[in-house]
Order: sequence, then structure tokens, then C-alpha cells
Amino acid sequence: EIVLTQSPATLSLSPGERATLSCRASQSVSSSLAWYQQKPGQAPSLLIYDASNRATGIPARFSGSGSGTDFTLIISSLEPEDFAVYYCQQRSNWPRTFGPGTKVEIK
Amino acid sequence: EVQLLQSGGNLVQPGGSLRLSCAGSGFTFSGYAMSWVRQAPGKGLEWVSTISGGGDGTYYRDSVKGRFTISRDNSKNILYLQVNSLRVEDTALYYCARHQSSGWYDCWGQGTLVTVSS
Repeated sequence: EIVLTQSPATLSLSPGERATLSCRASQSVSSSLAWYQQKPGQAPSLLIYDASNRATGIPARFSGSGSGTDFTLIISSLEPEDFAVYYCQQRSNWPRTFGPGTKVEIK
Repeated sequence: EVQLLQSGGNLVQPGGSLRLSCAGSGFTFSGYAMSWVRQAPGKGLEWVSTISGGGDGTYYRDSVKGRFTISRDNSKNILYLQVNSLRVEDTALYYCARHQSSGWYDCWGQGTLVTVSS
């Protein structure tokens, strides 16, 4: 099973600041990695797929990069609605696995 | 509008069974693979099972193999998850999710809560 590790666990930032989230895989997943956002009481929603492609309707302030084992999600300037939990997920191997999440909270 | 509407969650005793349902609308249901993903209270996301668009391919995580069965009725646009021999550790909010063409989950249901407790 591919284990995904996310860091930091919690990121405390102010609106307008830049957020940098990391996801590391226990073995290469090539570019088969996605990022999801989950707000309290809501289902997750797809942000980035295939490591760097924004999903439909996702604003340009969200960007993803990386390949192999190291991936990054950047939110260039945090909006109030961006404070949420972010999960990475791989679909390179079965079982599909998610990282434990990074909570982006208001400082 | 693409929608997934879930039902079937409940409180059940250990060893019990439930059938979870996920009704799709606003898209050609048979054209999409579907998955179940669960989230234990206060925890992260865990993939459970996937089924191909035609229903001929199914995949399960090891911990549910032999206990859970994923299926679909494309004539009714409904995805199912039959959950048997439930354990306390199966307690979670169960989401159904549609796969986009590249395989990622681009649309999610609202979730249905399964609580396993005596």
C-alpha cells in the first residue's frame, strides 16, 4: 500500500497570505496524484488532478506541482473560503490511498 | 445539474447489515466508474470500493473484502454498497463519488452515516 504523508498537519495563516502544502508518497506515483478540499460538514471537492491540473471551476490561485514522490499544493493568496482541510490522494496503485490531511486555519 | 443523492445509513449492531444507495442524476450514469469513500468521525478519508461503468470490474480494500459488495443498476442510475458483518471500526460517513474521465472523484454525494454499536 502506498502511504501518503502530508505536512504540516496544521497551517495557521491570515487571509492574503501564501499557503504551501506538501504531500509525500512512500513510493513513486508518477503524476497520479490529486488534491481535494473539504470544508466542515461538506463532502470533499476536487481541486487538482494529475498533480498539476486544476479541476473545473477552480480558481487560478490554486496550483499543484510535483511528480514521483514529492508534491506541493500552493494557494497563492488565501481567501476566507479557502480555510479548510486539504487531502492528497494517489491512484497509481490499489488500494487508492489518501493522506491524513492538512488543516489550513485562520491565524 | 450533476447530483448524487445518498441513503441507507443507520445505527446497526456489530455483525449487522445495511444496503447503502447512491442515486445519480444529470449525467449518463453508465458512462462513469463510481466509488465509495468513507470517513470515520473526526478522521480522514479512506477509499472503500470502486466499480466500473458497466459493473464488470470491482475493487475493494482488504479490510472489507468478503463483507462488502459494490454493485450498480444502470437502468435505475443507482449505485449500491451492501455492507455485511459490520464491525465497530466500520463506523463512518460513507460517500459515493463519481470518477471523471481521468479517474479522479469529481462529484460526491452528501454522505450517509453508518454507526456500528451495541
